[in-house]
Formats: sequence, C-alpha cells, structure tokens
Amino acid sequence: AQRVTQPEKLLSVFKGAPVELKCNYSYSGSPELFWYVQYSRQRLQLLLRHISRESIKGFTADLNKGETSFHLKKPFAQEEDSAMYYCALRAHSARQLTFGSGTQLTVLP
Amino acid sequence: DAGVIQSPRHEVTEMGQEVTLRCKPISGHNSLFWYRQTMMRGLELLIYFNNNVPIDDSGMPEDRFSAKMPNASFSTLKIQPSEPRDSAVYFCASSSADGDSPLHFGNGTRLTVT
Repeated sequence: AQRVTQPEKLLSVFKGAPVELKCNYSYSGSPELFWYVQYSRQRLQLLLRHISRESIKGFTADLNKGETSFHLKKPFAQEEDSAMYYCALRAHSARQLTFGSGTQLTVLP
Repeated sequence: DAGVIQSPRHEVTEMGQEVTLRCKPISGHNSLFWYRQTMMRGLELLIYFNNNVPIDDSGMPEDRFSAKMPNASFSTLKIQPSEPRDSAVYFCASSSADGDSPLHFGNGTRLTVT
C-alpha cells in the first residue's frame, strides 16, 4: 500500500524567506504526485502536479524517485501563502488520492 | 460550472442522532470521493464511487457510516448513530473519467457532534 509522509505539522517562515515543505512517499510502482492547498476555511485546491512540471504562484516541486520525495519550494514566501498544504499520491491506474497529514504554513510579516 | 456542491456547510447535532451529508459532483464527472479531515489524521479517504458503484469502502470507520450514490449527480454520507468522535470536516470530491484528471473538492461540511 502507498503512504505519504509530511514530517512537519507546522512551519513558520518570515516574508521574503525561502520555504520548503517536505513530502516523502512510499510506493512500489510509478506514482503521480500532487500538492493541494487549503486557505483558511476554504476548499482544497490543486496547486500543482508533477506531470505538469509547472510553477504555480511561485511554487515548484520536483519528483525525486531516488529519494522518493516531492518537496514543495518557493524562493520568496508571501503572507498570502499562509495555508494548509497537502501532498498527495495517486497510484498507477487508481482514481483515489492518498494524502499526507498536511503542513500548516504560516508566513510572518 | 459551480463545482462540487456540498450541503449543509455546518451541522451541529447531539450524540445518537442521524446525520446525512450531501454532495453534488461536477456534471460529467464519473468518480466521487468522500474524505474526512481531522487535525490528528489529516485527510482520510472514506469511500469512493465510480459510475455510481462503490469501489473501495475500506476507509469507512464502522457500520455506523454508510454512503450511497443513487445517480450520477447525487451522493449521501450517513452516520447513524453519530458520536462526538465523528466531529470533523467531511469533504466530497469528484473527478472525470480521464485518467489524468485531478480531484475537485467541495467546500466541505463541518460536523460537530455534542
């Protein structure tokens, strides 16, 4: 069975500082990885997915199969980035996503 | 499209009462998912349907929980009887038949059982 681990429940950084939210996974096959973001009391929204290889709101994430990681990075954090971030994995030919426990990011002024 | 629609947004009930949560997926999506969000455990998949058929209900906590999808545009998650430990935010999500389709989430129902 697959598993997604986000080791940090809480992460605080100052505005303008770099931020990295860690995500590790365990899955024997070829996974599809996602990052979802949830702003205060709103629905979860897709932030980015590894197959798109794009940057959204300044965030990027690279799938590292050797380290089984999909860390989310942004060089200069903004206060509006404060939110809950979930890393998720979809197994090959599956429909459902397996989520990590989430990281609450707070960007301080 | 209005997106995935869930009702009610908030539900406060007493222990022992029946609770019914509702979800309308995005039109044309053929997969529907129910997730539960808590501070301790994050997002857990409870059950998902494909073409209205339950595919995986291994995440349903116990017999008190049941879910139905009578047609492509409506699903319910029922808890009977409810208990305080069921307090959580329940999210519904849907996705299309495209294998690459991401999940689209509703606003969630915040359930409080006293």
